[in-house]
Amino acid sequence: EADIYQTPRYLVIGTGKKITLECSQTMGHDKMYWYQQDPGMELHLIHYSYGVNSTEKGDLSSESTVSRIRTEHFPLTLESARPSHTSQYLCASRQGGDSPLHFGNGTRLTVT
Amino acid sequence: EDQVTQSPEALRLQEGESSSLNCSYTVSGLRGLFWYRQDPGKGPEFLFTLYSAGEEKEKERLKATLTKKESFLHITAPKPEDSATYLCAVQISWYGGSQGNLIFGKGTKLSVKP
Repeated sequence: EADIYQTPRYLVIGTGKKITLECSQTMGHDKMYWYQQDPGMELHLIHYSYGVNSTEKGDLSSESTVSRIRTEHFPLTLESARPSHTSQYLCASRQGGDSPLHFGNGTRLTVT
Repeated sequence: EDQVTQSPEALRLQEGESSSLNCSYTVSGLRGLFWYRQDPGKGPEFLFTLYSAGEEKEKERLKATLTKKESFLHITAPKPEDSATYLCAVQISWYGGSQGNLIFGKGTKLSVKP
């Protein structure tokens, strides 16, 4: 069963709209991550956090922003959505540096 | 440049037909290699972690092995429910910063027909 929850599962939105993708985990993990996944492509890291008030940009350039005010919550925000943002967004968490990632079931975003 | 390559991109098997998936890597220093299974419309599900060459791990019909340059995921007598995309990821550091993050391959899409 999932201990990491993403909402919404699907989102279709018009260009220029502001959106927030929600991610929450109940495992008390310090490290949280946002990945972008396109069909047939690698997961690309766009943001990560090693604890409250800590956020870093990942390897893939992104116009999104994140915040980490509470351990369990790691939302991702797009101030102005564009068709190029159409993708699947996966949230993940882990406790230690050598422990496996736990993934949510993703948000599939379509920007028209 | 650190890189992870998975092959084949897609694999079709008959039920009971054993085979192997490959994950080759070129990294500055391997700290751990992870295998995940991903079903359509879901997030990746953790399968195994391997830490050093020669290590093997098993779970039901799956067996993962590791050498200094690659890892194999062996599937013995697969069933239709084993159909999924299998992802490989490597970690080059246990510590903070970007090197503590995982580098993923593109995955192998496995289809097992009854």
